[in-house]
Amino acid sequence: NAGVTQTPKFRVLKTGQSMTLLCAQDMNHEYMYWYRQDPGMGLRLIHYSVGEGTTAKGEVPDGYNVSRLKKQNFLLGLESAAPSQTSVYFCASRPSGNRGLSGRDNEQYFGPGTRLTVT
Amino acid sequence: RKEVEQDPGPFNVPEGATVAFNCTYSNSASQSFFWYRQDCRKEPKLLMSVYSSGNEDGRFTAQLNRASQYISLLIRDSKLSDSATYLCVVMFGTGFQKLVFGTGTRLLVSP
Repeated sequence: NAGVTQTPKFRVLKTGQSMTLLCAQDMNHEYMYWYRQDPGMGLRLIHYSVGEGTTAKGEVPDGYNVSRLKKQNFLLGLESAAPSQTSVYFCASRPSGNRGLSGRDNEQYFGPGTRLTVT
Repeated sequence: RKEVEQDPGPFNVPEGATVAFNCTYSNSASQSFFWYRQDCRKEPKLLMSVYSSGNEDGRFTAQLNRASQYISLLIRDSKLSDSATYLCVVMFGTGFQKLVFGTGTRLLVSP
């Protein structure tokens, strides 16, 4: 199993350009997430999905859109990139919730990250 | 007040030392607690869950104090390979369970 993969690994955009980050998981997980990680801020949830065809806003959704057309893929789009979106983006997945309140049942598996710079 | 707070460190310790990190959380309805490890420029990975009774995994011991709303991680006999950032993670909510990540505590183990 490849686990969670992300493409691309690195990208430099100019202000106003658009791009899509792809996340794929081969673990048949229901839940998928997009986070951004900035220095001193911790991981912040952008959008998430609890199943194919569903998406919801997280903590910092502005400027991003997502789609979950297939269970294994979760796409993050930047319609018009801004320097404030310079960050490291992590995708994560886990089995559906309520499988127990602790332990590996609730482990989130992260992708390797995408380093995005917007100039 | 941040939902999850950690001392950013860095904690500089020699090999073989014992080191402890604390993390405080603000939501008393929090249900589950975890420690994740993140190496430089890598993704976070689950280190261990934190149970109410406390739990141990090799050199690592996690404790939960619900009354004071903090969790701790103790690392005994530190190894060079323990150098990383340790993220405190708290889960709460019904239906969709939200995970809140602390900003992490950096540990540097030196020879």
